Amino acid sequence: RKEVEQDPGPFNVPEGATVAFNCTYSNSASQSFFWYRQDCRKEPKLLMSVYSSGNEDGRFTAQLNRASQYISLLIRDSKLSDSATYLCVVLSGGSYIPTFGRGTSLIVHP
Amino acid sequence: NAGVTQTPKFQVLKTGQSMTLQCAQDMNHEYMSWYRQDPGMGLRLIHYSVGAGITDQGEVPNGYNVSRSTTEDFPLRLLSAAPSQTSVYFCASRTGGEKLFFGSGTQLSVL
Repeated sequence: RKEVEQDPGPFNVPEGATVAFNCTYSNSASQSFFWYRQDCRKEPKLLMSVYSSGNEDGRFTAQLNRASQYISLLIRDSKLSDSATYLCVVLSGGSYIPTFGRGTSLIVHP
Repeated sequence: NAGVTQTPKFQVLKTGQSMTLQCAQDMNHEYMSWYRQDPGMGLRLIHYSVGAGITDQGEVPNGYNVSRSTTEDFPLRLLSAAPSQTSVYFCASRTGGEKLFFGSGTQLSVL
């Protein structure tokens, strides 16, 4: 079983839609959680950290469920520019080694 | 402040050739790492370093060597390139347990 698992999609949604992605992780001792965004052929860039209490950044909301070992990303009012791959990242171990999920592809169409 | 600088952007090698991918950061980050990204596989950790003089293997280290003689530089060496090493390579650095800063990537093709 892969340490960090994501549905690869693609999620194909119209502009204005709300879409949610989940990511499950296997290491219950994982300490930090992030969502990264990656555009085609570009480097990943941090979208947002994920905190236990949940956090929001504009149209984006991230949540962590330690009991069920998953994190989620909710995107409201989807824009064409949100089309990208969204990577779940989990940090574990004494050196905080990041483990990436395979990514979820989002396509927002007019 | 240049962040993470990764060179070259593109490289074509023949099987058996050697080369070094360069990675440098100017943010005084202790942690540096190399990933490869293949279609459908996500980013997989090759090697990482938690400080000068300290390196360790990641998930897919075979065929790659690294060294960390300074805080700034973390080169990745392919001693004898194989077609299975055709991939996109990313260098990343960070401080503490927080945000990763990535280089712009190297597209490597081994023929």
